[in-house]
Amino acid sequence: EAQVTQNPRYLITVTGKKLTVTCSQNMNHEYMSWYRQDPGLGLRQIYYSMNVEVTDKGDVPEGYKVSRKEKRNFPLILESPSPNQTSLYFCASSLIGGPSSYEQYFGPGTRLTVT
Amino acid sequence: GQSLEQPSEVTAVEGAIVQINCTYQTSGFYGLSWYQQHDGGAPTFLSYNGLDGLEETGRFSSFLSRSDSYGYLLLQELQMKDSASYFCAVRDPNQAGTALIFGKGTTLSVSS
Repeated sequence: EAQVTQNPRYLITVTGKKLTVTCSQNMNHEYMSWYRQDPGLGLRQIYYSMNVEVTDKGDVPEGYKVSRKEKRNFPLILESPSPNQTSLYFCASSLIGGPSSYEQYFGPGTRLTVT
Repeated sequence: GQSLEQPSEVTAVEGAIVQINCTYQTSGFYGLSWYQQHDGGAPTFLSYNGLDGLEETGRFSSFLSRSDSYGYLLLQELQMKDSASYFCAVRDPNQAGTALIFGKGTTLSVSS
């Protein structure tokens, strides 16, 4: 089954404690992306990756890091989480180019609370 | 810059037809897509329009008019399970890859 998986699904942590949210896809997609979703603000892109070792900032990258060492994995790292990073996070993947690129596959989401 | 406008909320009753509009402003346009998101769930792809006209997929249809920078999602024979948020999205022309810019979403509430 084609899917994007994220872990953990729920996380409560404290300010400053480093955390990693994992993302993995099994569709051999080149493109992967992280979004955060906040009430009234919609989906905002944090970082994206066009392929292995190719990553770039999205609209709201401050306080986040990513890496793409393997094509299937795209972890999101919060080195020193702060309460304003409390949000619902989604990982997504797609092919690059053409109409297929408009069909992004989303993971189930990670609800993060930073106290 | 790029922007998408859609109504924040729409209400309807079971069996009815509802249209969710989306107007966009973007410096480079390559197509319009629609996503559905149930409360607490992940967005899922519904449709894509690259050319003007209507695309039909079962009870859902999507329309695009590039000259008007406008599109809509049409949901027919509404069911309670259609209660969800619906997002329109366009390609981000400032990004080399495949980034989508999403509208803020329209919450559809279907009542019996």
